[in-house]
Amino acid sequence: GAVVSQHPSWVICKSGTSVKIECRSLDFQATTMFWYRQFPKQSLMLMATSNEGSKATYEQGVEKDKFLINHASLTLSTLTVTSAHPEDSSFYICSARTASGSYEQYFGPGTRLTVT
Amino acid sequence: GDSVTQMEGPVTLSEEAFLTINCTYTATGYPSLFWYVQYPGEGLQLLLKATKADDKGSNKGFEATYRKETTSFHLEKGSVQVSDSAVYFCALSDENTGGFKTIFGAGTRLFVKA
Repeated sequence: GAVVSQHPSWVICKSGTSVKIECRSLDFQATTMFWYRQFPKQSLMLMATSNEGSKATYEQGVEKDKFLINHASLTLSTLTVTSAHPEDSSFYICSARTASGSYEQYFGPGTRLTVT
Repeated sequence: GDSVTQMEGPVTLSEEAFLTINCTYTATGYPSLFWYVQYPGEGLQLLLKATKADDKGSNKGFEATYRKETTSFHLEKGSVQVSDSAVYFCALSDENTGGFKTIFGAGTRLFVKA
């Protein structure tokens, strides 16, 4: 149980275009989802926290107008990278937390974004 | 604020060697502690966890004990395999991290040679 999927697993887009990444909890309801960014050989950097039905909370230094997060349902959150640039190329990972109150998060497999 | 410090890598071991990856934390409350593993090109997988002092988490031959007195959660395995080569992240989460965010250490890369 507690499986989180991400789609797509990898994507290449041209500079200036937008790309949407989906994060789904497959067998549980996720009241909270988190979006992380990971640079090569580095740790995860939390970008934002999203709660179902409300606006996402962004970490300091993360541009909310560039990284649009929508948590429309208890099983789906999306991250849209708008007007992508090569420096946005990275590995994006989502995680989900259940409504049970546990501190444990379940991670998706990640999406590798390459902007050319 | 809360933080996690883990030993720098990379760590290179021969197969069947003993593994220790040190992890210490600072927290104002009583956090839950985790070890996650990331294999090349993949997302994170929960390896083990402990939710209170003196708890021992274990999985796949790995274990770690929540030591409140030394604020540590060191990862150990008695005999590593080539398939254990990955990056290991120590992490904590509690109500003081704001929205139950997880705070990650920098990660320790492990290479196991045959």
